[in-house]
Amino acid sequence: AQSVAQPEDQVNVAEGNPLTVKCTYSVSGNPYLFWYVQYPNRGLQFLLKYITGDNLVKGSYGFEAEFNKSQTSFHLKKPSALVSDSALYFCAVRVSGNTPLVFGKGTRLSVIA
Amino acid sequence: DAGVIQSPRHEVTEMGQEVTLRCKPISGHDYLFWYRQTMMRGLELLIYFNNNVPIDDSGMPEDRFSAKMPNASFSTLKIQPSEPRDSAVYFCASRDTSGQGANSPLHFGNGTRLTVT
Repeated sequence: AQSVAQPEDQVNVAEGNPLTVKCTYSVSGNPYLFWYVQYPNRGLQFLLKYITGDNLVKGSYGFEAEFNKSQTSFHLKKPSALVSDSALYFCAVRVSGNTPLVFGKGTRLSVIA
Repeated sequence: DAGVIQSPRHEVTEMGQEVTLRCKPISGHDYLFWYRQTMMRGLELLIYFNNNVPIDDSGMPEDRFSAKMPNASFSTLKIQPSEPRDSAVYFCASRDTSGQGANSPLHFGNGTRLTVT
């Protein structure tokens, strides 16, 4: 069975500082990894994905994520955080094929001015 | 592209009443998913459809829950009778696998916040 762990319920970072939101996964087979962001009273929005190729993937709003197969991780990063980045972030995984995404429990990011 | 449209945005009902949540997926998308979000359990997959056919409903919590997709542009999630523990935000999401296949992301609606008193 596939699963995703987001070890931190909450991440606080000062505006302008780099941010990292952690994600580890467990699958049988090759993972397809995704990050989504949820703003208050909204649905989840797609940020970026890793399917194959370069381990560093770039997405919307200046976010990027690094796939590390040996550590089974897919941490979300941004070099300089903005207050507007404050939101709930979800990591998700599916194995090849059309299986549904399995989501982590989410990490609340607070960027403080 | 209007995105995934859910209605109503908010629903408040009394225990025992029937509740129907509605979803219009993005045109051309062949997969539709219903998720439930709560603080305690996070995002739970309830059921999903492929080309209007239910594929996996193992996440539906009880027989009180049912979902239908009569055509490619409409789906409903019904709870009958509703209970206070059903209070949550219910999301519909759709996906187009014709081009990118497993690469394609989910597109979520803005959800229906259900409160059962």
